[in-house]
Amino acid sequence: SQKIEQNSEALNIQEGKTATLTCNYTNYSPAYLQWYRQDPGRGPVFLLLIRENEKEKRKERLKVTFDTTLKQSLFHITASQPADSATYLCARGNSGYSTLTFGKGTMLLVSP
Amino acid sequence: DAGVIQSPRHEVTEMGQEVTLRCKPISGHNSLFWYRQTMMRGLELLIYFNNNVPIDDSGMPEDRFSAKMPNASFSTLKIQPSEPRDSAVYFCASSLERDSYNEQFFGPGTRLTVL
Repeated sequence: SQKIEQNSEALNIQEGKTATLTCNYTNYSPAYLQWYRQDPGRGPVFLLLIRENEKEKRKERLKVTFDTTLKQSLFHITASQPADSATYLCARGNSGYSTLTFGKGTMLLVSP
Repeated sequence: DAGVIQSPRHEVTEMGQEVTLRCKPISGHNSLFWYRQTMMRGLELLIYFNNNVPIDDSGMPEDRFSAKMPNASFSTLKIQPSEPRDSAVYFCASSLERDSYNEQFFGPGTRLTVL
């Protein structure tokens, strides 16, 4: 089966530092990966998409990488702020299909 | 746009009762997804509709679950009879499907508790 694995332990960092979250996938490489943010009591919100043939994608303070050799995506938040505290979900998708398989997410806690 | 609308936001029911969850997708979107989220299993896809037609229902747990999309602006997820293990947060999401890379827009979810 196609699995997405994210670190279940919360990541605690200090404001201003760079947060790095990891997403590992099994079996064949997905056509793309998507990253979502989820706040308590709310639905996930889309942040970034990276395709299999893209090494890196940036959006403001966010950066995502896709390493097909390591079967891994890294999600970075630079100059982190307490408002970045949330759970971040990684999801894999395949070409020709609209459905996503989500990881369980990693909680990020940014302390002032 | 108001985003994806779900109702009710919270539902508490007793085992054996019928539960109906409702979803209004974003206007103009042609794909709709129902998910279930628990601490143990994370966010799981239950069923996916495209242009009101069920395309993938492989995630529907068993015959007690059914979903319908009678038109482009409304969908229901029904559980009959409900069981305590159905307790979870149920999300509806919609997207405008132009290619495979479409982002999904999630509703606020319905928190279901079955006693």
